[in-house]
Amino acid sequence: TQLLEQSPQFLSIQEGENLTVYCNSSSVFSSLQWYRQEPGEGPVLLVTVVTGGEVKKLKRLTFQFGDARKDSSLHITAAQTGDTGLYLCAGERSGNQFYFGTGTSLTVIP
Amino acid sequence: DADVTQTPRNRITKTGKRIMLECSQTKGHDRMYWYRQDPGLGLRLIYYSFDVKDINKGEISDGYSVSRQAQAKFSLSLESAIPNQTALYFCATSDSGLVTEAFFGQGTRLTVV
Repeated sequence: TQLLEQSPQFLSIQEGENLTVYCNSSSVFSSLQWYRQEPGEGPVLLVTVVTGGEVKKLKRLTFQFGDARKDSSLHITAAQTGDTGLYLCAGERSGNQFYFGTGTSLTVIP
Repeated sequence: DADVTQTPRNRITKTGKRIMLECSQTKGHDRMYWYRQDPGLGLRLIYYSFDVKDINKGEISDGYSVSRQAQAKFSLSLESAIPNQTALYFCATSDSGLVTEAFFGQGTRLTVV
């Protein structure tokens, strides 16, 4: 059983649409990160959220950390084809151990 | 040059063979990690090391072993490879700050036949 479950696992949308990806756990994390991975590459960090209830915006991407620091969401506004990729959440626990979610594969169709 | 380098990038091996995957980093980080990635399962932690003398098991360490030869080098071994170890393997590093970021290599695609 994965510590962090992401939903949906696959998402295919038209360019210009909005979408939300969820990352849920029954465990508390000291911080929550979102990574994006492209084919043939390793994941690359997008954002880190630390405080319960924290919201961070990165251009068209909005990240939220749940009040209890157990879950997070990623919202993309007006998706573009360049947003296509695998999105991974990762929870950090004491001692800098990163536990990754199950992943959401996003395809944005032109 | 990449900050985190994995070799080989691709490998096909036979069941029962011993294989070593290597990772080297130029970021000067103390902490190194090995993950495997399978479709629908995200990244799962195999082993991690917080310094040269420190080795810790992760979520799925059975069938694997590691060696931290130096601060910059962390290798993963499969003593007797089996087909369900076919996966994409990633090495990662991080510093030891309060909130850190994991930096990944480009991955090694391993197929056990």
